[in-house]
Amino acid sequence: TQLLEQSPQFLSIQEGENLTVYCNSSSVFSSLQWYRQEPGEGPVLLVTVVTGGEVKKLKRLTFQFGDARKDSSLHITAAQPGDTGLYLCAGGPVNDYKLSFGAGTTVTVRA
Amino acid sequence: DTEVTQTPKHLVMGMTNKKSLKCEQHMGHRAMYWYKQKAKKPPELMFVYSYEKLSINESVPSRFSPECPNSSLLNLHLHALQPEDSALYLCASSPNILAGVDTQYFGPGTRLTVL
Repeated sequence: TQLLEQSPQFLSIQEGENLTVYCNSSSVFSSLQWYRQEPGEGPVLLVTVVTGGEVKKLKRLTFQFGDARKDSSLHITAAQPGDTGLYLCAGGPVNDYKLSFGAGTTVTVRA
Repeated sequence: DTEVTQTPKHLVMGMTNKKSLKCEQHMGHRAMYWYKQKAKKPPELMFVYSYEKLSINESVPSRFSPECPNSSLLNLHLHALQPEDSALYLCASSPNILAGVDTQYFGPGTRLTVL
């Protein structure tokens, strides 16, 4: 059973459209990370959220951490082909060594 | 600087070969990790080192042998691998071992193909 449920699994949109990826759990997390990964490369950290209700912006990307620290979302405004990749959410449950990953969302932005 | 480096970038080996993967970080992180990742799947944890000691082995077959020569270096020795071991092998590091507190930074990975 996946600790972090990530949706959707695949997303294909036209350049300029908006998209949202969700990451949900029944467990409380001390923090959540979002990574973006291109084929054959390692995951690149986009953001870490630690406070319930926190909103962080990174240019056209907006990350939100749920008030109860059980869920998070990633919203991309005016997507560009360079946003194409595998987006992974990952979280550390309280007092656990192991980082739990969502299954990933493959985003394709068509020019 | 949040860089983790890995060598080689690509590796092709036969089932009887012995090879090693190398990972390096200079962020002063005390925890280092090996992950295995199959295409379009999330990374799977293999080993965790904390303060140069092996803390966690996620029931990995003995044909994978990790080594931490010092606080900046992590190796993964490979011997008698199987074709199903072909994958992207990722190294990561974090300030300490608590996943809930410390963000993990990943290297670019080694693409391993076992023939």
